[in-house]
Amino acid sequence: DPKIIQKPKYLVAVTGSEKILICEQYLGHNAMYWYRQSAKKPLEFMFSYSYQKLMDNQTASSRFQPQSSKKNHLDLQITALKPDDSATYFCASSPQGYNERLFFGHGTKLSVL
Amino acid sequence: GQQVKQSSPSLTVQEGGISILNCDYENDMFDYFAWYKKYPDNSPTLLISVRSNVDKREDGRLTVFLNKSGKHFSLHITASQPEDTAVYLCAAGPLNTGNYKYVFGAGTRLKVIA
Repeated sequence: DPKIIQKPKYLVAVTGSEKILICEQYLGHNAMYWYRQSAKKPLEFMFSYSYQKLMDNQTASSRFQPQSSKKNHLDLQITALKPDDSATYFCASSPQGYNERLFFGHGTKLSVL
Repeated sequence: GQQVKQSSPSLTVQEGGISILNCDYENDMFDYFAWYKKYPDNSPTLLISVRSNVDKREDGRLTVFLNKSGKHFSLHITASQPEDTAVYLCAAGPLNTGNYKYVFGAGTRLKVIA
């Protein structure tokens, strides 16, 4: 059973529209993250949250907004979509304390036309 | 700099041989180094990691070597098997509990042939 659920697995959007990527984790972790992998680029850190509070934001654009309605949820809202936003978005989580392992979801592959 | 570089985009190894994957980093504040394995259309999964206070860690067929002065770390897979065929991502970052902001390499595609 997947412990980090990302929905949907695939998403097609038109330029200028808005989408929400869903992430729920059932590992009991307090820290959650979003990473992004664009075509032919490395996996790239976007956001980290701890106990539902923003810890770090490496995303230059305010079009990307994480939303944490519950401790085990970290959704990602993307507005005014552009073709350059096309990528696979991975949600991840980690336990608190000195355990540095990241657990990743399977990703949402977003294509913006 | 924040870059983490995997110089070889691909590597082919004979079954039973040793696979050696390399990673270079720029930021000497990094003190955590990891290797993740990724199959197509699947999530990255941690294989093995090491903190900067050691220069080697073994786990079964896997060994991580860390050279801090050279800003380099590597993954050795002994007795390579076809099921080791995957993309291997190296990652590095600072140790900030609960805020694991890692920088990943672009990946090395390992193919183990029988």
